[in-house]
Amino acid sequence: GENVEQHPSTLSVQEGDSAVIKCTYSDSASNYFPWYKQELGKGPQLIIDIRSNVGEKKDQRIAVTLNKTAKHFSLHITETQPEDSAVYFCAASRTDKLIFGTGTRLQVFP
Amino acid sequence: GAVVSQHPSWVICKSGTSVKIECRSLDFQATTMFWYRQFPKQSLMLMATSNEGSKATYEQGVEKDKFLINHASLTLSTLTVTSAHPEDSSFYICSAREGAYNSPLHFGNGTRLTVT
Repeated sequence: GENVEQHPSTLSVQEGDSAVIKCTYSDSASNYFPWYKQELGKGPQLIIDIRSNVGEKKDQRIAVTLNKTAKHFSLHITETQPEDSAVYFCAASRTDKLIFGTGTRLQVFP
Repeated sequence: GAVVSQHPSWVICKSGTSVKIECRSLDFQATTMFWYRQFPKQSLMLMATSNEGSKATYEQGVEKDKFLINHASLTLSTLTVTSAHPEDSSFYICSAREGAYNSPLHFGNGTRLTVT
């Protein structure tokens, strides 16, 4: 089955800097890759997703890149703000099920 | 946007009792809903896939008689933790798919279950 690895597990950045989180997946047939942001005590919130027929997608300060050959995808957050502090999860799927990465705790210091 | 409502947000129960958690899709119909469990500082583990009008599909290692899932309508799925024990204490999160497979999956805000 699918296995998703995520790095780093924790990431601290200064406000205004960029943050990059990377994930690798094992199933070459996976074709959908969402990213979720989870704040303390809440459910995950979808922030951006990408499908396998696209290499990059951007939404304001957030972008995701996908390298199908290498089977990895990354989340890029530019001009980070303290409210970006949360746990971020990547996920991959080729069927109905989403397989999640282990999460990255992002801290943005003012 | 698509909203998934989960209730209750937290519950405390005694060992041996049963607890029901509701998951509703508020502005869309969801033929498929998913139930996840999350331990502190860990990732989300899929427990089961709930299909409207049919039996749920459980992941390996999840006891179907302990975690009863009912998906009686296109907007409601329920998870009942039967004969709860302290080890069942966890954060349970439901999600619903907005459309066909590979369409976005939206999550509820979770239910913190504490079994004393």
